[in-house]
Amino acid sequence: SAVISQKPSRDICQRGTSLTIQCQVDSQVTMMFWYRQQPGQSLTLIATANQGSEATYESGFVIDKFPISRPNLTFSTLTVSNMSPEDSSIYLCSAKGTGMNTEAFFGQGTRLTVV
Amino acid sequence: AQTVTQSQPEMSVQEAETVTLSCTYDTSESDYYLFWYKQPPSRQMILVIRQEAYKQQNATENRFSVNFQKAAKSFSLKISDSQLGDAAMYFCAYRPAYTGNQFYFGTGTSLTVIP
Repeated sequence: SAVISQKPSRDICQRGTSLTIQCQVDSQVTMMFWYRQQPGQSLTLIATANQGSEATYESGFVIDKFPISRPNLTFSTLTVSNMSPEDSSIYLCSAKGTGMNTEAFFGQGTRLTVV
Repeated sequence: AQTVTQSQPEMSVQEAETVTLSCTYDTSESDYYLFWYKQPPSRQMILVIRQEAYKQQNATENRFSVNFQKAAKSFSLKISDSQLGDAAMYFCAYRPAYTGNQFYFGTGTSLTVIP
């Protein structure tokens, strides 16, 4: 199994500013993912963070708004840029191990409020 | 398109009783993995149980078991001897074995345990 540390756990930000969320895994993983989750709702995949190359974004999410870095196999960041109140949400980091049948592991999430 | 459907937004169970959460999925793949995740108010997603599609035997983990019906594309979770700590949001998830690494999540079922 893998343990994922995500920070900050919560933040309140002014509109127009940016926030970078960090995700650290305690072991090397093949895949890292970033999700957005509205309270009480399901997870929406923002992008897959690829080590050494650009992230792969899902429909409706763009790099300019959600730049992602993954400099190595254990670390990734997600930046929420030029924030508006609509960006208020929970952001979750997830990772998948190297085995075929491994599950996804999750960080504790970041609760973001934009005012 | 691969979709996961949880038709019960909310469920409740009396402490020590048994409850079953429903999940159906749609896929054209023959080999895949299915998961149930628990998300308590702390937001930490925790794996409850995993099922490989090629295995006919239903997975069990202590008080948690699944009823996997591959032909019907159904994957329900049974919680026996429910405890107060079981109260959480439960998400069913699907991942294809070979075509990509993305996890597909259902909309979740909020479980309340009544003392």
